[in-house]
Amino acid sequence: DAKTTQPTSMDCAEGRAANLPCNHSTISGNEYVYWYRQIHSQGPQYIIHGLKNNETNEMASLIITEDRKSSTLILPHATLRDTAVYYCIVRAIYGSNYKLTFGKGTLLTVNP
Amino acid sequence: DGGITQSPKYLFRKEGQNVTLSCEQNLNHDAMYWYRQDPGQGLRLIYYSQIVNDFQKGDIAEGYSVSREKKESFPLTVTSAQKNPTAFYLCASSGRERGETQYFGPGTRLLVL
Repeated sequence: DAKTTQPTSMDCAEGRAANLPCNHSTISGNEYVYWYRQIHSQGPQYIIHGLKNNETNEMASLIITEDRKSSTLILPHATLRDTAVYYCIVRAIYGSNYKLTFGKGTLLTVNP
Repeated sequence: DGGITQSPKYLFRKEGQNVTLSCEQNLNHDAMYWYRQDPGQGLRLIYYSQIVNDFQKGDIAEGYSVSREKKESFPLTVTSAQKNPTAFYLCASSGRERGETQYFGPGTRLLVL
């Protein structure tokens, strides 16, 4: 799996958009970008994933640059409950690449 | 209510004792996984199973054992051979839909007495 680079921590005001960046400059053509988050002492929660088109679901939006070397997860209206560690993961799917490689992630703190 | 359940939430192990962590899913997923998380660290893969009656070692399988007799269940046994078992254990499952996205259970925290 391609290596990803994320900032260690970020702050966001409640009600504002949280934009979490991720660099994955060595991503391969068959690798997707996944985002998970982990609230303290809970299991990781799947947020969203994409290949090259921007994606949106009920939780967040994923913006992937045209060269696919970086992406941004957007939480449009952050709440206190969004405080968590956010992980950006790059992996191939539908193959033998079974393992999710979690790095250190970004600790997002949403402030009142 | 569909999802992945793990039990117990907390588990205490005495020296030399084997303990078994439960993982059940009702998502009809073929694949199941066990990860270990140490404080401030990422997840490391212990074992995974892509189909009933088959499983493979992950990166840190020593001191652990699993079974996959039913599609819904993938229990993990932490044996006495695992010298540093204190950690947060996470079970996940994935299916062919949504690109084999892995979904996680709530975790079991294992502590050694």
